[in-house]
Amino acid sequence: EAQVTQNPRYLITVTGKKLTVTCSQNMNHEYMSWYRQDPGLGLRQIYYSMNVEVTDKGDVPEGYKVSRKEKRNFPLILESPSPNQTSLYFCASSPRLAGGINEQFFGPGTRLTVL
Amino acid sequence: AQSVAQPEDQVNVAEGNPLTVKCTYSVSGNPYLFWYVQYPNRGLQFLLKYITGDNLVKGSYGFEAEFNKSQTSFHLKKPSALVSDSALYFCAVRPYRDDKIIFGKGTRLHILP
Repeated sequence: EAQVTQNPRYLITVTGKKLTVTCSQNMNHEYMSWYRQDPGLGLRQIYYSMNVEVTDKGDVPEGYKVSRKEKRNFPLILESPSPNQTSLYFCASSPRLAGGINEQFFGPGTRLTVL
Repeated sequence: AQSVAQPEDQVNVAEGNPLTVKCTYSVSGNPYLFWYVQYPNRGLQFLLKYITGDNLVKGSYGFEAEFNKSQTSFHLKKPSALVSDSALYFCAVRPYRDDKIIFGKGTRLHILP
């Protein structure tokens, strides 16, 4: 089954404790992206990647890191989480067609709480 | 600055009536436009897209959207609403020759039985 998986689905942590949220897709998509969803703010793009070893900042990259060492994986790293990073996080992937990025396939989400 | 606006936080429609969820955008060039739906405790699902061609595009679950270049709008429509259409709807834009994606803040659609 074609899918985007994220782990963990739920995470409660404390300020300053480094954490990684994994994202993996099995559709051989070039494009992968991370978003955070907050009430009243919709989805905001954190980072995206056009292909292996190519990453770019979205609208809210501060406090986050990403890496794209393999095509299928795109982990999100919070080196020193803070309470304002409490949010619902989504990973997404998309094929890169001739005209550019097309519709995205989303993972189930990771609900992160930073105390 | 490039942006997407969904002017209504919530839309209430009686079952069987037509529905419209509004989206306007402000980006340069000819963007790609998308609608996604989010059901409770689920990820987003793609509904439909406009890239080029016919201004009226049809998508999943009987939804359609009308692209209006002069008004920079991409409103989501359905002729007859179902209770099961109740969800959170997001409009998204991929600016021309850009790899960023800009989402609107979302509109919660309530279909009243």
